[in-house]
Amino acid sequence: TQLLEQSPQFLSIQEGENLTVYCNSSSVFSSLQWYRQEPGEGPVLLVTVVTGGEVKKLKRLTFQFGDARKDSSLHITAAQPGDTGLYLCAGPSSEAGSYQLTFGKGTKLSVIP
Amino acid sequence: DTGVSQDPRHKITKRGQNVTFRCDPISEHNRLYWYRQTLGQGPEFLTYFQNEAQLEKSRLLSDRFSAERPKGSFSTLEIQRTEQGDSAMYLCASSLAVGSGYTFGSGTRLTVV
Repeated sequence: TQLLEQSPQFLSIQEGENLTVYCNSSSVFSSLQWYRQEPGEGPVLLVTVVTGGEVKKLKRLTFQFGDARKDSSLHITAAQPGDTGLYLCAGPSSEAGSYQLTFGKGTKLSVIP
Repeated sequence: DTGVSQDPRHKITKRGQNVTFRCDPISEHNRLYWYRQTLGQGPEFLTYFQNEAQLEKSRLLSDRFSAERPKGSFSTLEIQRTEQGDSAMYLCASSLAVGSGYTFGSGTRLTVV
């Protein structure tokens, strides 16, 4: 069973601070996706990383896929209250014939104005 | 396109009753997924459709759960003889291709009392 462990589980920071959240596995993933979810809503896709070592930037968010494709990180620069939410990483199953995504439990981020 | 629509947004039912949820995916997306999410957890895979064919079901899925996608467009998820443990957010998602990111709906929040 492929598991994705996310850390920290909870993070509360002041507006303007920088932060990094992590997504780790003992398994190799062909790709990883990051989503943000607000209370009472479905997750919204932020990015997909495919190549080991890949870095993608989305405004103040920087995503990195580990060289071995077993881990990923999300760095937010100068966090804003609008960044508050649950950040989920997800990866496709390596099982033949499976189409499902495995999700981590998420990092719940609160940005205090 | 208005995205993925789910109906109802909230459902409260008594234990033992049957419930049915509906999902309307993005019209161009032939792949449709159902996930379940409980508090403090990431989404958990339930089932996958490609067009009208149900190609994958979670091994953990009770036989009280059934899903259909009769014409390859909208889908329904039915839970028979609901139990308190079925209380969760039920999320529907669609995608254009395997490996591409999901577009999730806002979910149906089920409470079994």
